[in-house]
Amino acid sequence: DIQITQSPPSVSASVGDSVTITCRASQLISSWLAWYQRKPGKAPKLLIYAASSLQSGVPSRFSGSGSGTDFTLTITNLQSEDFATYYCQQSNSFPITFGQGTRLEIK
Amino acid sequence: EVQLVESGGGLVQPWGSLRLSCEASGFTFSSYNWNWVRQAPGKGLEWVSYISVGSRTIDYADSVKGRFTISRDNAKNSVFLQMNSLRDEDTAVYFCAREVTYTRAFDIWGQGTMVTVSS
Repeated sequence: DIQITQSPPSVSASVGDSVTITCRASQLISSWLAWYQRKPGKAPKLLIYAASSLQSGVPSRFSGSGSGTDFTLTITNLQSEDFATYYCQQSNSFPITFGQGTRLEIK
Repeated sequence: EVQLVESGGGLVQPWGSLRLSCEASGFTFSSYNWNWVRQAPGKGLEWVSYISVGSRTIDYADSVKGRFTISRDNAKNSVFLQMNSLRDEDTAVYFCAREVTYTRAFDIWGQGTMVTVSS
């Protein structure tokens, strides 16, 4: 199975800041990595697919990069609605696996 | 409007069974792959099962293999998860999620249905 190590587990930031979240896969996964935002009581929301493609309707302050085993999600100019938990997910091979999540908190 | 409506969750005793349903509307259901994903209280997201467009490919997480069965009915625009021999650790919110084949990402999710396994 492909293990995904996501870091940091949590991060504190202020409105207007930038943050970067990383995911490392235990094997090569090409660009089969997606990023999701999860808020309490709401369904997960797809932000980025294929490592760096912005899902339709997602603000451009969200961006993704990487390929192979190392990937990053960057959020610039943080807005209040961005404070949530973020997950990466690999879909290169079954079983599909998610990172452990990163909780983005308001400083 | 694109929408997924899940149902079938509830309280069940250990070793019991439940059948989750996810009904889609607003798009061509049969053109997509489908997944079930769960989140236990205080835990992260966990992929559970997958079914491809023509039901040719089906897969499960090891944690549910042999106990859960995924299926789809294109005529009813629905995907199902039959859950048998339920355990305490199956307690979670269960989401159905649409997968776009060429991106392999889950672009539309249901609202989630809670499954509680407890005596």
